[in-house]
Amino acid sequence: DIVMTQSPDSLTVSLGERATINCKSSQSVLYSSNNKNYLAWYQQKPGQPPKLLIYWASSRASGVPDRFSGSGSGTDFTLTINSLQAEDVAVYYCQQFYHTPFTFGQGTKLEIK
Amino acid sequence: EVQLVQSGAEVKKPGESLKISCEGSGYSFTSHWIGWVRQMPGKGPEWMGIIYPGDSDARYSPSFQGQVTFSADKSTSTVYLQWNSLKASDTAMYYCARHGNSDSSDGSWFDPWGQGTLVTVSS
Repeated sequence: DIVMTQSPDSLTVSLGERATINCKSSQSVLYSSNNKNYLAWYQQKPGQPPKLLIYWASSRASGVPDRFSGSGSGTDFTLTINSLQAEDVAVYYCQQFYHTPFTFGQGTKLEIK
Repeated sequence: EVQLVQSGAEVKKPGESLKISCEGSGYSFTSHWIGWVRQMPGKGPEWMGIIYPGDSDARYSPSFQGQVTFSADKSTSTVYLQWNSLKASDTAMYYCARHGNSDSSDGSWFDPWGQGTLVTVSS
């Protein structure tokens, strides 16, 4: 199985500042034939299912504010949240969909300072 | 609007059987893989596997192979997750979620997700 490791486990950021969450895969999730990274990011708020934020490592899902962005390639990826808002408090997960089982990271809990 | 609606919470005893459901609407039900995801209390999501409602082709995570069964009913646009003999360790929230990528031959993210079904197994 591909192991997804996120860092940090928790993060406290002030309103209006930038939050950066990292995700590392145990093997590359870049498919050479189409040059796409098979990596997604989700946001989960308490009592809700995960919500898709980013797919193909950097494509924003419909309706997701542009303060959310994804970057990286191969084995190292980053989710950046600019101008942090109170409603961004949540747990964030990365997921690889390169090879089954499509494993998730352990999550990063984002709180407001 | 694409929507997945799951059946309600269940409380079962160890050794009992259970089948929970996930009904899709707002899209071509037979053309997208649907997955099942377990989330144990206070933990991250775990990918259990996926089923293609068009032909009921199913792929299981090795961690769940033999422990659960996926099925699909095209006539009601519903997929199912079934246990034959529940254990206390099956206590968790279970989500269904649709593959967002319409290419059925490729891997995909999940979007949207169902609201979840809480399964509690206790004697």
